[in-house]
Amino acid sequence: DAMVIQNPRYQVTQFGKPVTLSCSQTLNHNVMYWYQQKSSQAPKLLFHYYDKDFNNEADTPDNFQSRRPNTSFCFLDIRSPGLGDAAMYLCATLPGFSTDTQYFGPGTRLTVL
Amino acid sequence: DQQVKQNSPSLSVQEGRISILNCDYTNSMFDYFLWYKKYPAEGPTFLISISSIKDKNEDGRFTVFLNKSAKHLSLHIVPSQPGDSAVYFCAASADSSASKIIFGSGTRLSIRP
Repeated sequence: DAMVIQNPRYQVTQFGKPVTLSCSQTLNHNVMYWYQQKSSQAPKLLFHYYDKDFNNEADTPDNFQSRRPNTSFCFLDIRSPGLGDAAMYLCATLPGFSTDTQYFGPGTRLTVL
Repeated sequence: DQQVKQNSPSLSVQEGRISILNCDYTNSMFDYFLWYKKYPAEGPTFLISISSIKDKNEDGRFTVFLNKSAKHLSLHIVPSQPGDSAVYFCAASADSSASKIIFGSGTRLSIRP
């Protein structure tokens, strides 16, 4: 039933140790997004893919990278996590650019020790 | 510099009464507005939207009002039910779609018996 799936739901990593979060979708949507949401703050767009075209937000740190090997999967790589990267990471999808809403996964909560 | 502001972090309403959640925006180019609802441990789910060509959109117990001159929108829930207890995010877009949306920081609504 789940349409946008994020694994793992909870991730603990150590300061500076690379970590990868994954998102998969069964909706066959063209567009996939990664958001970062810190406690009591607005979700902040990091980047998105339209098919294989990657679009980085201007203020997304270089520490954050993404890969989309196929339509269904998208990965968020944090190369050297800092304490400030502890957050909820939300993946979302969109069928195309002229639709009503994005569809969100449940999120991965990242803890950095 | 927040473009979408939800100035009330929390709101408590008695069951059966009306809940009014407010949202202000600063970018006059925004032309499409959305409300999302988020339960703990789940991703945001779409609730209702409104285009800037309208000033009201209704869906069952949920009504969104848009005041373009004041750059203000509100979500009315009536009557409020216990299942409405959640965090509500206001979001806005400048391209008449949900392709790139800017979120507010959310309002936690609690419905008390």
